[in-house]
Amino acid sequence: SQTIHQWPATLVQPVGSPLSLECTVEGTSNPNLYWYRQAAGRGLQLLFYSVGIGQISSEVPQNLSASRPQDRQFILSSKKLLLSDSGFYLCAWSGSSYEQYFGPGTRLTVT
Amino acid sequence: LAKTTQPISMDSYEGQEVNITCSHNNIATNDYITWYQQFPSQGPRFIIQGYKTKVTNEVASLFIPADRKSSTLSLPRVSLSDTAVYYCLAIILTGGGNKLTFGTGTQLKVEL
Repeated sequence: SQTIHQWPATLVQPVGSPLSLECTVEGTSNPNLYWYRQAAGRGLQLLFYSVGIGQISSEVPQNLSASRPQDRQFILSSKKLLLSDSGFYLCAWSGSSYEQYFGPGTRLTVT
Repeated sequence: LAKTTQPISMDSYEGQEVNITCSHNNIATNDYITWYQQFPSQGPRFIIQGYKTKVTNEVASLFIPADRKSSTLSLPRVSLSDTAVYYCLAIILTGGGNKLTFGTGTQLKVEL
C-alpha cells in the first residue's frame, strides 16, 4: 500500500532563517506531488505541484520554492523565512485518478 | 478559474443524514469534484470523488446536478466521530495543467 511521510512534524524557526521540509512517498511510481499551506483556522492553499522529476509549477508567488530531486521526493524550501510563513504545511500525492492523499503535515512556527 | 464556496458550519445529531453543499462555477463536463475530511492537526482524508450525477461508496454519496453549479456531499447516519471540517475540491482539467480550487471548508459538529 502507499504511504506518505513528512518531516519534521513540528518546527520553530526564527525570522530570516532557512527552511527545508521533506516529503516522500512509498508504494507508487511517478506520482503527482503537491505542497499546501494551511493558516490557523483557514482553508488549504496550494503552493506547488509537480508531475515529474524537475517539473514544478508554482501557484502562489512567495519566498518559498520547491524541488523534486527524485520521483517520490518533494522538498519545500525557503532562504529566509517571514513571520507570514507560519502555518501547517501539507504534502499530498495523487495518481491518475486525481484523488489526493495527504501526509501528516508539518507545523511551522516562525518567531 | 472555478471559485468554490461552502457553508461555514453545520450542526447535526447522531443518526441523522447530513448534506453539505459546495457551490462552484465554470465546471466543465469532465471536471471532478472531490471531498475531504480533516480533523485538527491532521492532513485531510479523501472521502469521495465524482464528475457527474451520483457516486456512492461505503461512507458517503456525492450528488452533482445537471447544471454542475453545485455538488452535495451526503453523510448517512452521522456519529460523533464525524465532527470535522469538510472541504470540497474542484479539479479543472486543462491541457496546460490541472487547476485545483479548494472550498473554504465546512465545520460539521455532531452532538448526541
